[in-house]
Amino acid sequence: AQTVTQSQPEMSVQEAETVTLSCTYDTSESNYYLFWYKQPPSRQMILVIRQEAYKQQNATENRFSVNFQKAAKSFSLKISDSQLGDTAMYFCAFMNEAGSGYALNFGKGTSLLVTP
Amino acid sequence: DGGITQSPKYLFRKEGQNVTLSCEQNLNHDAMYWYRQDPGQGLRLIYYSQIVNDFQKGDIAEGYSVSREKKESFPLTVTSAQKNPTAFYLCASTDRGPYGYTFGSGTRLTVV
Repeated sequence: AQTVTQSQPEMSVQEAETVTLSCTYDTSESNYYLFWYKQPPSRQMILVIRQEAYKQQNATENRFSVNFQKAAKSFSLKISDSQLGDTAMYFCAFMNEAGSGYALNFGKGTSLLVTP
Repeated sequence: DGGITQSPKYLFRKEGQNVTLSCEQNLNHDAMYWYRQDPGQGLRLIYYSQIVNDFQKGDIAEGYSVSREKKESFPLTVTSAQKNPTAFYLCASTDRGPYGYTFGSGTRLTVV
């Protein structure tokens, strides 16, 4: 089974600053998909960004971008111009291309606190 | 509006009782999933279903059961065999493919 590791249980950043959340994964597959989800205090899971492993270009969604290093099996999330509303748990997740029912395998999460 | 509805939001049960968590979607998604969330553990897959009348065990299926009699419904039963049932349960759905999930708002189950 694939494993997803988030090595930072908690992080803190000041408003307007930039923060990077780390994620590494282990797989023998050549094609797969990676995701970052945000879970604010409401506990509603929100998709932040998605990356296809066969695409070399890093995905970007407004203030959120990833640094995808396929050889290193690393998928970090950069949040620019941090806002108070970014305070949440962030989960990195892995999905095989097929054969696993498109099930997501999640890391244990990083709790991000944005301070004024 | 399309979405996933989980009910109830909070559920309390006595130890030894079976309890069923509801999950309904009107997104016409083929695939549905149940995850369990515990503090510091992330989300762990319990069961998933790709089509009606078919479902597969996830990583922590012991003590749980599901059914998929209708495309829009995927109820989860927490049986008395589940050793530590107190947790936050999330249901999700997606079209069959490598897309992001749509999640429900979750059910917090407390067994006393």
